[in-house]
Amino acid sequence: SQKIEQNSEALNIQEGKTATLTCNYTNYSPAYLQWYRQDPGRGPVFLLLIRENEKEKRKERLKVTFDTTLKQSLFHITASQPADSATYLCASSRTTGKLIFGQGTTLQVKP
Amino acid sequence: NAGVTQTPKFRILKIGQSMTLQCTQDMNHNYMYWYRQDPGMGLKLIYYSVGAGITDKGEVPNGYNVSRSTTEDFPLRLELAAPSQTSVYFCASSNRGHSRGDYEQYFGPGTRLTVT
Repeated sequence: SQKIEQNSEALNIQEGKTATLTCNYTNYSPAYLQWYRQDPGRGPVFLLLIRENEKEKRKERLKVTFDTTLKQSLFHITASQPADSATYLCASSRTTGKLIFGQGTTLQVKP
Repeated sequence: NAGVTQTPKFRILKIGQSMTLQCTQDMNHNYMYWYRQDPGMGLKLIYYSVGAGITDKGEVPNGYNVSRSTTEDFPLRLELAAPSQTSVYFCASSNRGHSRGDYEQYFGPGTRLTVT
């Protein structure tokens, strides 16, 4: 079955460093990958979308890559801040609007 | 714009009871979705709708029903509540963006449901 996997272990990093989160997919060739941020007790909030024909997408301190050979997307937050602490969800889709979500990776940025 | 609103925020049900989770969006989006999220897990799609009068099953539809009589509203019905339905439920909406597959989703704040 189609699967999206993220590292379930929490990622702890020091303020100012770059956080890198991984999203792998199997049995599936998504046309799009989306990244969402979720704070405790809140709904997810959209951050970035990358298409299969794009290698990289940037938005302020955020960068997403999409490697169709490795079947992987990397999500980077540069110059991380404690306010970036949250759970980050990867989701994939083709053209129907239905998303398949990974389980999320919790990021903790320490001052 | 209020975006996507959900009611209630919290609810405790007894086994076998029924309830409807309400979801409304004011962005004139065609697409609406219901997800459930269990602790430490990602979101699982329950049902979705691509427009008024059109609904379809997602990954985990058993025990739930939906209807879509208007663009704005997409209620989720639990007929016979079971402990396995204890979860946080999120409603979301989207429209197609600039290209096919560009469906940024907007989520509501969620309903935390406990079935005992």
